[in-house]
Amino acid sequence: EPEVTQTPSHQVTQMGQEVILRCVPISNHLYFYWYRQILGQKVEFLVSFYNNEISEKSEIFDDQFSVERPDGSNFTLKIRSTKLEDSAMYFCASRIQGGGNQPQHFGDGTRLSIL
Amino acid sequence: DAKTTQPNSMESNEEEPVHLPCNHSTISGTDYIHWYRQLPSQGPEYVIHGLTSNVNNRMASLAIAEDRKSSTLILHRATLRDAAVYYCILRSSGNTPLVFGKGTRLSVIA
Repeated sequence: EPEVTQTPSHQVTQMGQEVILRCVPISNHLYFYWYRQILGQKVEFLVSFYNNEISEKSEIFDDQFSVERPDGSNFTLKIRSTKLEDSAMYFCASRIQGGGNQPQHFGDGTRLSIL
Repeated sequence: DAKTTQPNSMESNEEEPVHLPCNHSTISGTDYIHWYRQLPSQGPEYVIHGLTSNVNNRMASLAIAEDRKSSTLILHRATLRDAAVYYCILRSSGNTPLVFGKGTRLSVIA
């Protein structure tokens, strides 16, 4: 069964450094998402992406964050200048075209640790 | 998306059926009822969804009340691998993101 893959599985970065998290969505999916989960807390929506542009973003997704689909297969999340509070699991998800009855498929996440 | 209410935790014996309840009294006519689960150290995983009728798939069954104000996820025979946090989420049509609550933490006892 096709799946969403994320790399790396664990990223350790110094505060203030830039980090890029990578995702390969399922190949025929058209909607892409990033979520994050701080340890012990709920899964929170960051951003959704469709047709090469952001379709919705949360308050968490400030100017430090950006997303890109550089080559038609990868979907990346960049954090420009990381803060300690960015430490979390980051999950990528993708969905096939369709309405609210289409499920999102998640990767197993990247654990981001900011020192 | 409308709010859902789930118990914080439930416990089940292995190989017994499990009924996970969810209340969604403010559901609108176009909201689908989705269930996801999150196993330890993994991303959320889609389980099942429905609109009005009960649904079955290889993972579980979804029983939806006639007034749609509540639903129940049924695992027919719990295994140790089913120990996870189960989320009941309402989704309207369109590209709305999933809104996760705290879910129900299911423990399965051997």
